[in-house]
Amino acid sequence: NAGVTQTPKFRILKIGQSMTLQCTQDMNHNYMYWYRQDPGMGLKLIYYSVGAGITDKGEVPNGYNVSRSTTEDFPLRLELAAPSQTSVYFCASSYEAHTEAFFGQGTRLTVV
Amino acid sequence: RKEVEQDPGPFNVPEGATVAFNCTYSNSASQSFFWYRQDCRKEPKLLMSVYSSGNEDGRFTAQLNRASQYISLLIRDSKLSDSATYLCVVTLSGGYNKLIFGAGTRLAVHP
Repeated sequence: NAGVTQTPKFRILKIGQSMTLQCTQDMNHNYMYWYRQDPGMGLKLIYYSVGAGITDKGEVPNGYNVSRSTTEDFPLRLELAAPSQTSVYFCASSYEAHTEAFFGQGTRLTVV
Repeated sequence: RKEVEQDPGPFNVPEGATVAFNCTYSNSASQSFFWYRQDCRKEPKLLMSVYSSGNEDGRFTAQLNRASQYISLLIRDSKLSDSATYLCVVTLSGGYNKLIFGAGTRLAVHP
């Protein structure tokens, strides 16, 4: 069972570069989320989606964009990478509101 | 004030010890409550849901006090494999499901 799959697992970006973090889930979940986790800190919600075509901002959306064209995929776009975006990014999904969320293995991003 | 606050830890305990973690949440509209476990450099995984009546899963007991907006996790007979960071998580009602995470409490169990 694949669950939630994130790619890439690691990436080094130069300041000003752009990239897309991919996230796909095969559990037919409606809800999907992007979080970032800085060292020694909790997870902060960047964006979330309750279904295809519906997205909304979380706690720390600046510098990021998302789209949700299908139930399975929820990519996160960084347009102009900044050192402050160095973090571990987790994608997650859940079947419905207030139920268990399943996480991908994370993407470790370093901006230099 | 943070929406979810936890004891920062770390908690260093010997094998076999009983350890308790506390968590408070600020939004009285919070609807669902969970404890997640996160191993070093890994993704969070659900440990257990927390219900108003309290619930137990083996060596783990979770309690919820809605009046005090307080959640607890008790681990009995600690094992080396319990070493991890424990994340308190709440969801808010009245809209889309947003999981709000505490910063986590780190537990280190030593022989």
